[in-house]
Amino acid sequence: QITLKESGPTLLKPTQTLTLTCTFSGFSLTTSGVGVGWIRQPPGKALECLALIDWNNVQYYSPSLRNRLTITRDTSKNQVVLTMTNMDPVDRATYYCARGVRYFDSWGQGTLVTVSS
Amino acid sequence: SYELTQPPSLSVSPGQTASISCSGDKLGDKYACWYQQKPGQSPVLVMYEDDKRPSGIPERFSGSNSGNTATLTISGTQAMDEADYYCQAWDSNTAVFGGGTKLTVL
Repeated sequence: QITLKESGPTLLKPTQTLTLTCTFSGFSLTTSGVGVGWIRQPPGKALECLALIDWNNVQYYSPSLRNRLTITRDTSKNQVVLTMTNMDPVDRATYYCARGVRYFDSWGQGTLVTVSS
Repeated sequence: SYELTQPPSLSVSPGQTASISCSGDKLGDKYACWYQQKPGQSPVLVMYEDDKRPSGIPERFSGSNSGNTATLTISGTQAMDEADYYCQAWDSNTAVFGGGTKLTVL
């Protein structure tokens, strides 16, 4: 059974850095063809892929947010970490992690992150 | 940057066929996939690589992709199919999502 779960702060102040951890089970991030991505969804709006890391430790980033994002993995802990700098109220969204590269076949429950002074 | 365009909403009567479109430049040259998202829930993959159904997805869901348009078709639409649907493709080393289509079954 594949599971993914997001964890991290639910409330940040503007300009702070967001650090989210995705802890997964049921698969290995060292298996060929496997990746884990971070996708966010502002309330009532569409999905947006932020970053993805694959089995070769290659990182992919949203072109519009590239300069604010870092994605890393810890294969010994089955975790993928996303950091996003200089958070702003417009970054309020549910942040999901999901398994996949070209498409995402398993998703976490998501975590709502609010940015407010 | 690459864009995928979906109609914001679609209404269909129970038992009828719902066709949700997703348009993008030369989308047919890429693989398209589709997600279903019900209120308060995480997205669920319902179609990948244009026309492949993941395990557990009913046969009434089918997909196609040609030219500039990918289409998710739901035959014999049921009330449980009421949800938001998002298309997604891979372009320039990133996953791109459409704006979503709210499917209403009434």
